[in-house]
Amino acid sequence: EPEVTQTPSHQVTQMGQEVILRCVPISNHLYFYWYRQILGQKVEFLVSFYNNEISEKSEIFDDQFSVERPDGSNFTLKIRSTKLEDSAMYFCASMGAGQAYEQYFGPGTRLTVT
Amino acid sequence: GQSLEQPSEVTAVEGAIVQINCTYQTSGFYGLSWYQQHDGGAPTFLSYNALDGLEETGRFSSFLSRSDSYGYLLLQELQMKDSASYFCAVREGGSYIPTFGRGTSLIVHP
Repeated sequence: EPEVTQTPSHQVTQMGQEVILRCVPISNHLYFYWYRQILGQKVEFLVSFYNNEISEKSEIFDDQFSVERPDGSNFTLKIRSTKLEDSAMYFCASMGAGQAYEQYFGPGTRLTVT
Repeated sequence: GQSLEQPSEVTAVEGAIVQINCTYQTSGFYGLSWYQQHDGGAPTFLSYNALDGLEETGRFSSFLSRSDSYGYLLLQELQMKDSASYFCAVREGGSYIPTFGRGTSLIVHP
């Protein structure tokens, strides 16, 4: 069964450093998303991406964040200058055309900012 | 904006039936989804209701009442592996983005 993959599974970085989280969505999916989940809290939407551009973003997704689909398979989230409060699990998700409600989530990247 | 309310924790024994409720406030309601998340794992889609009524998928069923802004997830013949967090999520018209509730931790005892 096709699945969303994410790398790395765990990233430790120092405050102020840049990080890039990588995702490979399911190959025939058209909609891509990033979410984050602070430990013990709910899943929070960051950004959605369709047709090579951002379609929606939340208030969390400020100028420190950016997304890119550099080729036909990868979807990345960059945090330019990490803060302690960026420590969270980051989930990538993808959705196929005609499936307006079923998102497939990757296993997540645990980001720890020290 | 949207708000969702669901219980923080529910406990039950193996073999039992449990219902996890979700009430929501939103404008332009389009549908209610349910996701399961095991500790340290990714959310996994369980069900989606756009219309009133009950949707059944194996041991899991989901119900929606649009007039009451209310839904629930029903889990039957509980198994230990059902111990997880369960999130309801609403989708507003014009957006593909679900807004997640805070989740209900289901603990299944032997």
